[in-house]
Amino acid sequence: QVQLQESGPGLVKPSETLSLICSVSGDSIRSGYYWGWIRQPPGKGLEWIGSIFRSGTTYYNPSLKSRVTISVDTSKIQLSLKVNSLTAADTALYYCARTYSSVWPDGFDVWGRGTLVTVSS
Amino acid sequence: SDELTQPPSVSVSPGQTARITCSGDALPNQYSYWYQLKPGQAPVEVIHKDTERPSGIPERFSGSNSGTTVTLTISGVQAEDEADYYCQSTDSTNTYVLFGGGTKLTVL
Repeated sequence: QVQLQESGPGLVKPSETLSLICSVSGDSIRSGYYWGWIRQPPGKGLEWIGSIFRSGTTYYNPSLKSRVTISVDTSKIQLSLKVNSLTAADTALYYCARTYSSVWPDGFDVWGRGTLVTVSS
Repeated sequence: SDELTQPPSVSVSPGQTARITCSGDALPNQYSYWYQLKPGQAPVEVIHKDTERPSGIPERFSGSNSGTTVTLTISGVQAEDEADYYCQSTDSTNTYVLFGGGTKLTVL
């Protein structure tokens, strides 16, 4: 049973960089899937941030691409997300998720419970 | 335009059928997916590639595709189905993931 667990600072200041980790259990980052990040601002809908394959191939939401970096650490079985130049608009529940297959694009069949990030001074 | 449009809310009584639509110009050429979101829980994929039901999803959940509109149908709605539902697809280049705005299903 694959499980994903997001972790992060909870509160970050405007203009700073957010770093989140997604720990994977029951599977390997090296497996043939895409891994991604999705966020949900309070009271709003889901927004796809980006996704990465084990080879390093990445796809980013064009509206966030200039501020976002997604990477995988296969030795630690972790997925990471960095978002720089934070503003209050980045306040959201951040989810990590795994796609159904190795073919892009695809649906996300496994999700974490999410970690809440608040951007405030 | 590459957007997915859902109704903000749908209300049904227990045992009735709920239909949640998702409209977008790119849908005729892209697969759609549906997710159920409940507070404090991990989102759950309830429909895969327009019509497939993932393992463990009750048979009352079904999906259909009619060109620029895809529909999630929940037959015999139960109280536990009350949740937010989101459709997902991709843009016209088949590269970027899009989500609909979400629909709150209320079971009266």
